[in-house]
Amino acid sequence: GAVVSQHPSRVICKSGTSVKIECRSLDFQATTMFWYRQFPKKSLMLMATSNEGSKATYEQGVEKDKFLINHASLTLSTLTVTSAHPEDSSFYICSAARTGAAQPQHFGDGTRLSIL
Amino acid sequence: DQQVKQNSPSLSVQEGRISILNCDYTNSMFDYFLWYKKYPAEGPTFLISISSIKDKNEDGRFTVFLNKSAKHLSLHIVPSQPGDSAVYFCAASPLASSNTGKLIFGQGTTLQVKP
Repeated sequence: GAVVSQHPSRVICKSGTSVKIECRSLDFQATTMFWYRQFPKKSLMLMATSNEGSKATYEQGVEKDKFLINHASLTLSTLTVTSAHPEDSSFYICSAARTGAAQPQHFGDGTRLSIL
Repeated sequence: DQQVKQNSPSLSVQEGRISILNCDYTNSMFDYFLWYKKYPAEGPTFLISISSIKDKNEDGRFTVFLNKSAKHLSLHIVPSQPGDSAVYFCAASPLASSNTGKLIFGQGTTLQVKP
């Protein structure tokens, strides 16, 4: 089945650090990947749509300069949380769909980010 | 504004019985619906989906029902097994985004199946 790998699974770092999270589709090509954020006991909130070879599309209220997204290839998208602060602590999760098929999306296992 | 709502945060069912998870939505432009299952420390796993042109889709023990007039869908699991214990998310795709894959998620329902 379709596999999406997300790394790292957990990050603990000091305030002001920039953190990069990788999302890879292991056995399929994904023109589009998605980045979500989940708060405790809340639903997954779409942050941005990552498009291979072009700029990401951000949802309303998501700071582009804060959450940098790069989709350099058909199998890799990265999310960089720049100058992270405690309020950025959350569970970040990516997903991808096969090129040519919008659904279903396949999810990585998520990254637990804790900013001290 | 929560466009996809799962009003029951938790559900407990006896093994072998039916589990029914409910989901309501407010946007009539949603045309594709999915259910995902999530274990702790793992990403959501796709379970089953349904297009708005259908009212039922079945896959093994899992059946999804869609009532467009009521803007309601449900997931039936029968018979329920202890391994089904997880958080279940309902998700919807807006018509305008059906080719881009954008999903709107509900808050999730934690299902516990007791042996």
